[in-house]
Amino acid sequence: EAQVTQNPRYLITVTGKKLTVTCSQNMNHEYMSWYRQDPGLGLRQIYYSMNVEVTDKGDVPEGYKVSRKEKRNFPLILESPSPNQTSLYFCASSPNRDRGTSEQYFGPGTRLTVT
Amino acid sequence: QQQVKQSPQSLIVQKGGISIINCAYENTAFDYFPWYQQFPGKGPALLIAIRPDVSEKKEGRFTISFNKSAKQFSLHIMDSQPGDSATYFCAASIETSGSRLTFGEGTQLTVNP
Repeated sequence: EAQVTQNPRYLITVTGKKLTVTCSQNMNHEYMSWYRQDPGLGLRQIYYSMNVEVTDKGDVPEGYKVSRKEKRNFPLILESPSPNQTSLYFCASSPNRDRGTSEQYFGPGTRLTVT
Repeated sequence: QQQVKQSPQSLIVQKGGISIINCAYENTAFDYFPWYQQFPGKGPALLIAIRPDVSEKKEGRFTISFNKSAKQFSLHIMDSQPGDSATYFCAASIETSGSRLTFGEGTQLTVNP
């Protein structure tokens, strides 16, 4: 089944304790992205990657890191989480066709609480 | 700074009614406008999309209306059903920039039986 998976689905942690949220897709997509969803703010892009070893900042990158060493994986790293990073996080992937935009496939989400 | 503004934030309609969600954008370079549907506990999924060379696109009960001069587009859900209850996001992108999307704030739709 074609899908984007994220782990963990739920995470409660404390301020300053490094954590990683994993994202994996099995569709051989070039483009991958991380979003956070907050009430009244919609989906805001954190980081995106056009292909392996190519990453760039989205609209709200502060406090986050990413890496893209393999095509299928795009982990999100919070080196020192803070309470304002409490949110619902989504990973998405898309084939990066020459023509441009194409459908983005979203994972099921990771609900993170930082106390 | 939100480049795509969406309204209303929440919407309640009766079964069989018409649901209308509106979006306005600022960047005139945007040339692809999708709508995503999100059910509780799930990730968003593409519902319908339009490019600015047409003013309307219809798929079943879902229609996008697009007004390029006003920089506005809207989603109409005809004969709304309780199963349509979800959060809807409009989005916009520039095709030459690849897959990067800018989303609106979202509308929580409730369809009462």
